[in-house]
Amino acid sequence: DADVTQTPRNRITKTGKRIMLECSQTKGHDRMYWYRQDPGLGLRLIYYSFDVKDINKGEISDGYSVSRQAQAKFSLSLESAIPNQTALYFCATDGTSDTDTQYFGPGTRLTVL
Amino acid sequence: LAKTTQPISMDSYEGQEVNITCSHNNIATNDYITWYQQFPSQGPRFIIQGYKTKVTNEVASLFIPADRKSSTLSLPRVSLSDTAVYYCLALRMDTGRRALTFGSGTRLQVQP
Repeated sequence: DADVTQTPRNRITKTGKRIMLECSQTKGHDRMYWYRQDPGLGLRLIYYSFDVKDINKGEISDGYSVSRQAQAKFSLSLESAIPNQTALYFCATDGTSDTDTQYFGPGTRLTVL
Repeated sequence: LAKTTQPISMDSYEGQEVNITCSHNNIATNDYITWYQQFPSQGPRFIIQGYKTKVTNEVASLFIPADRKSSTLSLPRVSLSDTAVYYCLALRMDTGRRALTFGSGTRLQVQP
């Protein structure tokens, strides 16, 4: 089984709709992240959480919100989706060791019409 | 966080050695050089990490000179399956909070 799973893998929605992307991890890590990737570009950080009670804004948090329901679950919501939020979304997780690397999920391809 | 600069793209042929250089002139004392690999429509995957000199694993080697202002990722005898985007990051290793900052990466295309 994959260490980091994301649902759905693909989603097409309409402008103005609320949508939630979910992420689960079995690594037992405290830290979780949400990134978005636009075609031909690197990843940009949306939100991150270092434990269940800790939520932090990343580089591009406007238009997004998150919920850390449990250590293993971190969801990303688009309250009112707009077309420029069409992108590939990745969830990632890492541990608290200084040399820990981040483990990424398979991504969710979101299209907002 | 230290800014990294790497070539936008590189081309190679199967069986060749590929070296991707990354510049990080403002690297801090407690930054580690970390490389990730990303295949199309997949999340990035950790390849290798080092502080100075040379690190080698089953996938790649990483060369970091004494001044640490640059680093080189070396992929021995690439195959078609090594076609991917490679990201160089200066990863802060301290007890504080951290998140990864990805640039545009180097798009490696391996030809038969």
